[in-house]
Amino acid sequence: NAGVTQTPKFRVLKTGQSMTLLCAQDMNHEYMYWYRQDPGMGLRLIHYSVGEGTTAKGEVPDGYNVSRLKKQNFLLGLESAAPSQTSVYFCASRKQQGTYNEQFFGPGTRLTVL
Amino acid sequence: QQQVKQSPQSLIVQKGGISIINCAYENTAFDYFPWYQQFPGKGPALLIAIRPDVSEKKEGRFTISFNKSAKQFSLHIMDSQPGDSATYFCAAREVKAAGNKLTFGGGTRVLVKP
Repeated sequence: NAGVTQTPKFRVLKTGQSMTLLCAQDMNHEYMYWYRQDPGMGLRLIHYSVGEGTTAKGEVPDGYNVSRLKKQNFLLGLESAAPSQTSVYFCASRKQQGTYNEQFFGPGTRLTVL
Repeated sequence: QQQVKQSPQSLIVQKGGISIINCAYENTAFDYFPWYQQFPGKGPALLIAIRPDVSEKKEGRFTISFNKSAKQFSLHIMDSQPGDSATYFCAAREVKAAGNKLTFGGGTRVLVKP
């Protein structure tokens, strides 16, 4: 099993450009999450999904959109990138059943917006 | 405003020493407190977790101490090894919150000197 994979690993954008980050998991998990990691801020939740076709806002959703068309994939979109979105982005997934199940994280995508 | 406050931001310890990381929270609805370990260039991975009905949990050289009345919990790394050099995140979850979302502390970068 590959677990949680993220594409791409690195990306440099210019202000105003758009892009989509792809997260894929092969563990048949129902829940999926997008976080951003900034120094001293820990991991902050951007959006999450509790199942195929459903998404919800997290702590810092502004400037991002998501889609979960297939259970195994969770896409994060930036429509008009800003320098403040320079960050490392992590995707995670979790099995629905079980109160104390852990979240499994992908390897991250380092995004720089110039 | 972070709901989970973590300290210190960084610490240096000699091989064989004890590393101590502290976290504090305000939300009394939090009911699950995991710690994640992250190596450079990798995603976070669950290290150890505790529920508030116990005051301590030990797994190998890693121990969580939990003080419910003070709303504080801490990670102790005994006999610290160079391989423990990583960033550690505490987290908390409110069980009734949609999506089983985690709230993370700001992270502590631990360096173990040989």
